[in-house]
Amino acid sequence: AQSVTQLDSQVPVFEEAPVELRCNYSSSVSVYLFWYVQYPNQGLQLLLKYLSGSTLVKGINGFEAEFNKSQTSFHLRKPSVHISDTAEYFCAVIPRGGYQKVTFGIGTKLQVIP
Amino acid sequence: ETGVTQTPRHLVMGMTNKKSLKCEQHLGHNAMYWYKQSAKKPLELMFVYSLEERVENNSVPSRFSPECPNSSHLFLHLHTLQPEDSALYLCASSQDGTLNTEAFFGQGTRLTVV
Repeated sequence: AQSVTQLDSQVPVFEEAPVELRCNYSSSVSVYLFWYVQYPNQGLQLLLKYLSGSTLVKGINGFEAEFNKSQTSFHLRKPSVHISDTAEYFCAVIPRGGYQKVTFGIGTKLQVIP
Repeated sequence: ETGVTQTPRHLVMGMTNKKSLKCEQHLGHNAMYWYKQSAKKPLELMFVYSLEERVENNSVPSRFSPECPNSSHLFLHLHTLQPEDSALYLCASSQDGTLNTEAFFGQGTRLTVV
């Protein structure tokens, strides 16, 4: 079994400031890692994913995340946020070789302040 | 527009009613999913269909009954629901049944049980 912890339920940040959304996971096996974004009244949209290779993953809208195996973390970062980044962000994991045993975190609401 | 369409967008139903949620994807994907999103709780995977066969059923109460008549359509039949079933129900599809291929989500159906 695996679990995903997103410690921050809400993160307010001023426009053009950097932001980091934290995600930690636990799993007895290796996992694939994902970040999804949900804009108001919308479904989830994939931001980025880590499957293998370079631990720094770049996604859409200027976001990136770094996989840290020793700390079992996959934090999401953006150097300069925009108002349009206001949304809820979900971290998710799936075990390698697993068939849709996806586990989502509880989500972090990013509020960008003008 | 993600290529996954859910109807209706909003639904209010009494505990004795029977209703159905519909999901349609025009992406040529082989796998479809139902998720439940409740406030302050992680996204819950309910059902997975791959090539029209149910491959995952995560201990969902029998008052939720999925149906996948073909690879483009997915239904969730609802009957004798409880108020705690009120939530956003999200449909998703992917090329195959593993989440290391990107999942595309619909906008969801906001269900309120009164």
